Amino acid sequence: QKEVEQDPGPLSVPEGAIVSLNCTYSNSAFQYFMWYRQYSRKGPELLMYTYSSGNKEDGRFTAQVDKSSKYISLFIRDSQPSDSATYLCAMRDYTGANSKLTFGKGITLSVRP
Amino acid sequence: SAVISQKPSRDICQRGTSLTIQCQVDSQVTMMFWYRQQPGQSLTLIATANQGSEATYESGFVIDKFPISRPNLTFSTLTVSNMSPEDSSIYLCSAWTGEGYTFGSGTRLTVV
Repeated sequence: QKEVEQDPGPLSVPEGAIVSLNCTYSNSAFQYFMWYRQYSRKGPELLMYTYSSGNKEDGRFTAQVDKSSKYISLFIRDSQPSDSATYLCAMRDYTGANSKLTFGKGITLSVRP
Repeated sequence: SAVISQKPSRDICQRGTSLTIQCQVDSQVTMMFWYRQQPGQSLTLIATANQGSEATYESGFVIDKFPISRPNLTFSTLTVSNMSPEDSSIYLCSAWTGEGYTFGSGTRLTVV
């Protein structure tokens, strides 16, 4: 079993839809959870960063963490064509500048106008 | 947040040659990380580079193939040596910048 599993894609939704992106993990030592957005031919860009179970909201984006189920989600409300990108979940096991990230495979989202 | 400049953005190289990728951070960072991203795959960590000491390589990656330099707290290079078509990939550098991990824009390498 891979340490981090991410829902396979691609995913195509109409503009204005609510999008739910999900990852599961097996390592209970993971404490810090991130979502990255990667546009074509660009590096990953940090969207959300959280370290506790529960929800964290930033504009149209909500990150949800359920440590008991080892499950994290990213919700995108009122999706826009500009949200079309690959979304990667990432996590690490302790706070520290040298702690490495473990990534999911990523899911490609397309928002149709 | 910090900005990482990575170059070259892309290159096409002959097999058997080497390519050096450079990353410059606009602030001092303790650790820098080098990743490989292959189509349809997760980002895979190649090595962690700390200023003043040898890089730490992940399983499956060796210094002879991927030598790394870290001469100061804002700069690092990754060399892909003796390239083969299997090395064709996107290579990314990253650093913890206090607000999460920031990534460079990547180097798209094609080996022919």
